[in-house]
Amino acid sequence: GDSVTQMEGPVTLSEEAFLTINCTYTATGYPSLFWYVQYPGEGLQLLLKATKADDKGSNKGFEATYRKETTSFHLEKGSVQVSDSAVYFCALRKGGGSNYKLTFGKGTLLTVNP
Amino acid sequence: GAGVSQTPSNKVTEKGKYVELRCDPISGHTALYWYRQSLGQGPEFLIYFQGTGAADDSGLPNDRFFAVRPEGSVSTLKIQRTERGDSAVYLCASSRMRQETQYFGPGTRLLVL
Repeated sequence: GDSVTQMEGPVTLSEEAFLTINCTYTATGYPSLFWYVQYPGEGLQLLLKATKADDKGSNKGFEATYRKETTSFHLEKGSVQVSDSAVYFCALRKGGGSNYKLTFGKGTLLTVNP
Repeated sequence: GAGVSQTPSNKVTEKGKYVELRCDPISGHTALYWYRQSLGQGPEFLIYFQGTGAADDSGLPNDRFFAVRPEGSVSTLKIQRTERGDSAVYLCASSRMRQETQYFGPGTRLLVL
């Protein structure tokens, strides 16, 4: 079945450090890929998405590129801030008749220290 | 505008009891989803409604779980004869149409003692 694998956390960085959170997926066909973020005490929010191979999603300084050849969608940010501390979830959504069901990874807790 | 809301935010119950969890989607969103998030895991799909009907309930773990959306807006997730293993955060999401961005509520944290 479909699955998403994220790097295990927690990840602890100092402010202005470079961030990478790895995400790989297993799915048939051509899924859409997402990064969701959950800030402390808040609900899941869509951070960015990509719907086809080589697409780059970006938002709030975060980027991720849909790499079909490596089935990956790694999240990156050049300079993290304390306010980026949150749990990050990678997810996929298949196309066709199942184009509504999100499959999530386990999440990666990021803590950014001043 | 208002986002997805869920009530209660926390629910503590005893094993064997019945619970209802409510979801108010964003106004005008026809698609509604329930997910369950166990500790240390990502959300797992439970059920999807298109309008009033459950279009896919394949993620419901067993027949103790049931969900309704009688008027195509508010949805209620019902759990009978709760078990300790049902303890989790239950998330609701809605979208304007099924292939569009899903907006999540804050969740209901259920603890079964």
